[in-house]
Amino acid sequence: RKEVEQDPGPFNVPEGATVAFNCTYSNSASQSFFWYRQDCRKEPKLLMSVYSSGNEDGRFTAQLNRASQYISLLIRDSKLSDSATYLCVVNPPYSSASKIIFGSGTRLSIRP
Amino acid sequence: GAGVSQSPSNKVTEKGKDVELRCDPISGHTALYWYRQSLGQGLEFLIYFQGNSAPDKSGLPSDRFSAERTGGSVSTLTIQRTQQEDSAVYLCASSSQPAGELFFGEGSRLTVL
Repeated sequence: RKEVEQDPGPFNVPEGATVAFNCTYSNSASQSFFWYRQDCRKEPKLLMSVYSSGNEDGRFTAQLNRASQYISLLIRDSKLSDSATYLCVVNPPYSSASKIIFGSGTRLSIRP
Repeated sequence: GAGVSQSPSNKVTEKGKDVELRCDPISGHTALYWYRQSLGQGLEFLIYFQGNSAPDKSGLPSDRFSAERTGGSVSTLTIQRTQQEDSAVYLCASSSQPAGELFFGEGSRLTVL
């Protein structure tokens, strides 16, 4: 089993749709979780952190389920500019800081 | 504000040549990471520096790859005797704390002919 697995995608949805991605992780001791966004031929950039209580930032909602070891990202009212690859990132305990695990990414394409 | 700076942004070299890639992290960031990303692929961890601790080199793919970080700031990734399979984007990221939010540079795109 991969340490971090993401929905394979690609997702192709119309503008205005709601889309959700999931990401599962295998290390129950993982410390923190993030969603990054990577545009074509660009560097990854932090989209949002993921907290146990769930968190929302505008049209984006992130959830963490420690019991089932997965995180999710929900995008509401999707915009053309949301087209990108979304990377799930799982951080290890402090003592293993180098072992940040990036998912392989889920590609999202929003069509007009 | 100054983000992570990488140079060169593009490098084309001939097989067998050595290359040096530079990363200037955000000032004050103690953690520095190098990743490699081939076209259409995910990020591959190469090496991690944290403060004055010994670096974690476990991701370096061969002994042709080495990296150093001088004075806890600028880092250089060196690839000796480059091969075509080394062609990729080399991304540097820094963080204010271990396993914290990563800030990436724009990457150095290496093409080995």
